[in-house]
Parts: sequence; C-alpha cells; structure tokens
Amino acid sequence: AQSVTQLGSHVSVSEGALVLLRCNYSSSVPPYLFWYVQYPNQGLQLLLKYTTGATLVKGINGFEAEFKKSETSFHLTKPSAHMSDAAEYFCAVSGGSRPGANSKLTFGKGITLSVRP
Amino acid sequence: DAGVTQSPTHLIKTRGQHVTLRCSPISGHKSVSWYQQVLGQGPQFIFQYYEKEERGRGNFPDRFSARQFPNYSSELNVNALLLGDSALYLCASSLEREGGVAYNEQFFGPGTRLTVL
Repeated sequence: AQSVTQLGSHVSVSEGALVLLRCNYSSSVPPYLFWYVQYPNQGLQLLLKYTTGATLVKGINGFEAEFKKSETSFHLTKPSAHMSDAAEYFCAVSGGSRPGANSKLTFGKGITLSVRP
Repeated sequence: DAGVTQSPTHLIKTRGQHVTLRCSPISGHKSVSWYQQVLGQGPQFIFQYYEKEERGRGNFPDRFSARQFPNYSSELNVNALLLGDSALYLCASSLEREGGVAYNEQFFGPGTRLTVL
C-alpha cells in the first residue's frame, strides 16, 4: 500500500521568496514520485517526477524536488516565487517499475500556494 | 499533438440519475485511468484500463463502472447518482509499457465537473 502526506493545506509566500512545499510518502516498494500543479477549474499538469537515478529532479517553471529515501520525503522547492505560481500543488506516488505494477497514482490532499505582491 | 480530451465539460444531474463521461487518450497511449476529485481534496483513483482490460479498481461502489474501447477511448458510468458524487472527474492516459520499459507518467485531461442536485 502507498500513501502521501502533505502537511498543511495552505502556504503563503511573498513574491521573490523561497517556496517550500513538503511531501512525505509511504511505499512498500521503490516508488515513483510526482508533483502536479492544478490551476482553478483546470486539470493536473506535471511539474516534475522522480523514477530512478539522480535524486535531485528539476521540473518546469523553475521548480525542483529532492528524493530522500532515508526521510521518505520528496519536498518541492523554487528559489523565487512568482505571482503566477499561485495554484494547488499535489504530491503523488505510484508503484514504480516492479513487475505487474501499473501507473495508478495515490495523491496527497494538496497544498494551496498563495503569493503576496 | 492533442492531449487527453474529456466530454462533457460540465454536467448537472439529479439524484438517482445515471451519467456517462467520456475520455480520449493521447494518441498511442493504451492505458486510461479515472480519478474523482472532490472539492478541496486530492484525486482518488477509480479505475485503470490497459488494452481494454481492467487493470485496477479503487475503493468505489459498484455503481461506478467503466470500459475501454478498441480505439483506447474510455467511458465512466455512474448509476443511481448521490449528492456525494458531485466532483471533478479526471481522466489520465499513459503509455504504460513499450519494449519492456515502464512509462508511468500519466497525462491528465481537463476534467468533467459533475454536479448532482
């Protein structure tokens, strides 16, 4: 079984400030990890993903995340927030590439990011 | 290339009615998954179909059913609608496997907003 915990439902930062959105996961197998962004009344857009290899993953719009197996974490960061980053962010886990695995995603509850001028 | 498409965009139904939602995957993708996103929550997995076979089912009642057609498009059916079925229904497609390699990234459509009155 897999699960994702996103602590806090709302994060507010000033424009230009560091963005840090936390994600912890639980998985009985080596996981694949994802961050998705959702703008109001829209579907989900993939920001970045970790499958195998380098643990620091870079995504679109200046976001990056680091897979830390010892901490079971996959926190999302961006050095400088922009007003356009205001959205809902979801961390998700899937079962990886083990035999018989499918790409079913288990999502966290999401974090709303607000950016103050 | 066209992304994942879903129809209709919005739908209003009354309790007890039946609804059919439709999804067309990205060209070449053989897997379609359905998710339910209740307001303020992360998406919850409903079904996954791969090569027209059910690959996985989430914790949803038998009122929910789905199928995948030879062209890999999919329908999600919900019978005897309840107020609690009001949600954004998301469809995602993925390549799954090609040449023995797993491709777990899911691409989401814009969703169908279902309101049950």
